[in-house]
Order: sequence, then structure tokens, then C-alpha cells
Amino acid sequence: EVQLVESGGGLVHPGGSLKLSCAVSRFNFSGSAMHWVRQASGKGLEWVGRIRNKGNSYATAYSASVQGRFTISRDDSRKTAYLQMNSLRAEDTAIYYCTSLSYWGRGTLVTVSS
Amino acid sequence: SYELTQPPSVSVSPGQSARITCSGDALAKKYAFWYQQKSGQAPVMVIYEDSKRPSGIPERFSGSSSGTMATLTISGAQVEDEGDFYCYSTDSSGHLGVFGGGTKVTVL
Repeated sequence: EVQLVESGGGLVHPGGSLKLSCAVSRFNFSGSAMHWVRQASGKGLEWVGRIRNKGNSYATAYSASVQGRFTISRDDSRKTAYLQMNSLRAEDTAIYYCTSLSYWGRGTLVTVSS
Repeated sequence: SYELTQPPSVSVSPGQSARITCSGDALAKKYAFWYQQKSGQAPVMVIYEDSKRPSGIPERFSGSSSGTMATLTISGAQVEDEGDFYCYSTDSSGHLGVFGGGTKVTVL
């Protein structure tokens, strides 16, 4: 069974940083683009960004709401994707999911609060 | 910024068909994906590339796309099909992803 497991969420002060990880198993990780999607409590899904595979030069793209603050990276040898979040704001509070668009993790909660 | 538009809610009686639309200019050239999310759970893909159904997804789920609108149809809806449904696609450049606002499906 394919598994995507996010970790690294927690409580952080406004202006702070956090790095999320997404460990993947039983899945063609190196051949797949990986996305991060978030969902604030009671709200809809919001696409955060994605990183393509090596064949596509690991190209990244981000939503306007996180551009310049968030960075997505990956380590194909570890089958892990990362989301580095800097300059966090209260409105970044959400469950963060990693996904290949076919498969999804269960998410990790990020709370930005003083 | 690019947007996908969905109706906020759809209600259907058990055994009837539910149709959920997703409109966006780039859908004429880009694929639509559909996800079902039940309360407290991660989304599950029910349709990819406009009309393809992943293994394990019941045949009553089908998708189509015409012009700037994609449609998810649940034929013979069952109570267990309730949940929030989201369409996903990209902008015309193919670089930026976007989700529709979501449609709450009620079967009663």
C-alpha cells in the first residue's frame, strides 16, 4: 500500500519558520511531481506549490500567497519531499497535505499563533 | 489569479444522479481532477484527466469535460457518497495549480 506521511507540524509564532517533511513508501517517488496542499479549518483545499521530478529539472512553482516565503525541495534517495516555511503568518494556519495528486498523506497541522 | 468555480452545494435523493460542475477558462486545454473528502479525512481522487477512474473507485463516479466546464456525475448516489468534492486543474501555463471552492454533496 502506498503511504505518504507528513511530519514537522506544530505551533510557531508569527514570523517564525517551520520545515515539513513528507516520507513516501511503495510509490514511484523519483518519477513523480510532489505537491503541497493546505486546508484551513472549515475551509476548502488550497494548492500551495509543487516540485517536479529530475527529468523536469526539479522545477518548482508556488501560489501567490506563499511565493517568496515557502520553498519546496526533495531528496529522491530518501523518498522525501520538504516544505520550508518562513515568515509565517496567522493565515498560514492549516492542515498541510503532501500529495502526488493521486495519493495523499493524512496531513500535519501547522498553527501560527502568539 | 486563476479560479475554478463550483456550486457550493448539491442535494440528491438516494439512487438519483448528482452532477457537480467546475468551470474555468483553462479547462478547455487542461485536465480536471476530482477529489472526494469526507469529514476529518484526507481527500481521495475519484476522477483524473477529466474522465478516468482510479482502481477501487465505484463505477457510479464518472467525469466529462466540454469547453470550459468539467462535470463529475454520481449515478445512483448512495448515502456513503456524501462529502465535499473538489475539482483541481492548472492555469493555462500549466505551472500553477488551483482547486475549486468545493461542493458539499448531501444524499437524503
